[in-house]
Amino acid sequence: DIQMTQSPSSLSASVGDRVTITCRASQGISSSLAWYQQEPGKAPKLLLYGASRLERGVPSRFSGSGSGTDYTLTISSLQPEDFATYYCQQYYSTTLTFGGGTKVEIK
Amino acid sequence: EVQLVESGGGLVQPGGSLRLSCAASGFTFSSYWMHWVRQDPGRGLVWVSRIQRDGSSTTYADSVKGRFTISRDNAKNTLYLQMNGLRAEDTAVYYCARETSIGGSYFSDYWGQGTLVTVSS
Repeated sequence: DIQMTQSPSSLSASVGDRVTITCRASQGISSSLAWYQQEPGKAPKLLLYGASRLERGVPSRFSGSGSGTDYTLTISSLQPEDFATYYCQQYYSTTLTFGGGTKVEIK
Repeated sequence: EVQLVESGGGLVQPGGSLRLSCAASGFTFSSYWMHWVRQDPGRGLVWVSRIQRDGSSTTYADSVKGRFTISRDNAKNTLYLQMNGLRAEDTAVYYCARETSIGGSYFSDYWGQGTLVTVSS
């Protein structure tokens, strides 16, 4: 199975900060990567797919980049509603895998 | 409006069985691959299984292979997960999710709210 390693596992930031989360795959995944946001007690919400394509309705402050094994999710200006846990997921292989998650907390 | 509603969770003893259901509405269920994903309490997401549109192809995570069976009834717009030989480590919230494919990318764009499975004696 392809292992997905996210970092950091948690971070503290203030409203307005720029936040970057990284996701590293154990092998190349050709941008077959999605990012999800999950608020406590709620189902995950799709943010981006194809590493950099924004899902409909997702604010443009979210962006994604990367290639090969290394990918990033960037929130350009953190808003109060962005405090949540973020997960990457690869769909390059038929057995999908998620990263361990990054919890974004209020500083 | 797309809706996915899971049911069937509960408390079960180790070694027991449970069948989860996911009722779909608001879209043409038979046109989409579907997934089950679980989340241990307070922990991360773990992909469990995936099924093709007509049910002819299924894939499983190694941790559940041979114990869990994913299936679907397109006439009833319902996805299932039959879980046998349950273990304590299967305790989790189980989500069903719809897979959408765009230009070679496939991802889960809609999720249910989840159903809790607790395996304990």
